[in-house]
Parts: sequence; structure tokens; C-alpha cells
Amino acid sequence: QKEVEQNSGPLSVPEGAIASLNCTYSDRGSQSFFWYRQYSGKSPELIMFIYSNGDKEDGRFTAQLNKASQYVSLLIRDSQPSDSATYLCAVITSNTGKLIFGQGTTLQVKP
Amino acid sequence: KAGVTQTPRYLIKTRGQQVTLSCSPISGHRSVSWYQQTPGQGLQFLFEYFSETQRNKGNFPGRFSGRQFSNSRSEMNVSTLELGDSALYLCASSFPRVQETQYFGPGTRLLVL
Repeated sequence: QKEVEQNSGPLSVPEGAIASLNCTYSDRGSQSFFWYRQYSGKSPELIMFIYSNGDKEDGRFTAQLNKASQYVSLLIRDSQPSDSATYLCAVITSNTGKLIFGQGTTLQVKP
Repeated sequence: KAGVTQTPRYLIKTRGQQVTLSCSPISGHRSVSWYQQTPGQGLQFLFEYFSETQRNKGNFPGRFSGRQFSNSRSEMNVSTLELGDSALYLCASSFPRVQETQYFGPGTRLLVL
């Protein structure tokens, strides 16, 4: 089992819709969770981090964390074509302290 | 505040050669981590340095090594290059520990022929 798993996609949504990106992790003791966005040919850019169960909102982005289910998600409201990118979920594992990335989900927002 | 800088941005080497990549973290950041990104394996953790000490290491062979200087700048070295080492090498800095948010540099794209 991979430490951090994401559906590679592509996830295709129409402009203006809500995009829902999901991530599961295996280390139950993990405490810190991050979402990065990576445009083709560019380096990852931090979007959000979340440490506590529940929702955290920042503009059009909402991160959701459920530690009991070992599940973290990212919602993008009013999706724009400029949101088309690969979204990377990352988790700091409690046993190693390393930041482990999922394979990423490719999001395509169609005008 | 200037971001993370990496040099060189692009590099072409041949098998068997060695390469050194450099990373300058954001001013005030003392933790530097290195990652390898390939289409097949995604982003994989190489190692993390904090205050000139390697604090964490990924599952890479000993050909991959690194160090950090007193000004927090870091270098990574790959010896005896293999074709499979072709990748984007990313450096990320954070303050003061890896548990804090990490900010990535633009990366060094290495091609091994």
C-alpha cells in the first residue's frame, strides 16, 4: 500500500463547477497535510495546509480532513481554466517525519 | 523576499559522470529538503538538512549525497550517473522544521545520456 494515494485522473470539470480532489494516507499518526498545485514544467506551489479535522477555507479552495478515515480532500469552487494543473497531496508521516507526496491528480477545467 | 533559487536550471551529463546541484533557501529558512521528480515515480524525498545536519533521508542509493553550509545553502551530489537519474530535482526550504510549510525552488532538470 502506498503511503499517500491519489487518483491520477484526469479529472475533467466544466468552468464554474466544483472540482473535488481526494487523497488517502496510510500512517494513522500523521498530523500535517498539504495541497500543492503544479503546472506543467513548473515546480509545486503550496495552496493550503491543514492540521485539524474539519474544513479549512481559503478563497475558492477548501481543504477537508478526516483523520478517522485517513482522508483529505481539496474542493475548488467556481473552477477556472487557469486551475488546470496537477494537484499533489502531501503528508508528513509521524514515524519518519518525512513529507511524502501522492502521485498527483491532473485537473482539466474546460471552458 | 526572494524565493528559493536553484542552479543550474538545466544540465546534460553522460553516464558515469557526477553532478552537483545547488540550492539557496529563502532568507531565514534553515531547513532544506531535496526531491526527485520523474513521470513514473512522482515526487520522491531524497534528504533533509537542518543546521548543517542531515535530519532525514529517503530510499536512494549512496550515490546521492548532500550537504548544507552554515548560511543554509545546500548542495546535492550524484556520482556515477545512470540513465535513470534523469529527472527534475527540486529543493524546498522551510522555517524552522520540515513540519512547517515547504516552498519549492524552480528545480534543476537533469538529463543523463
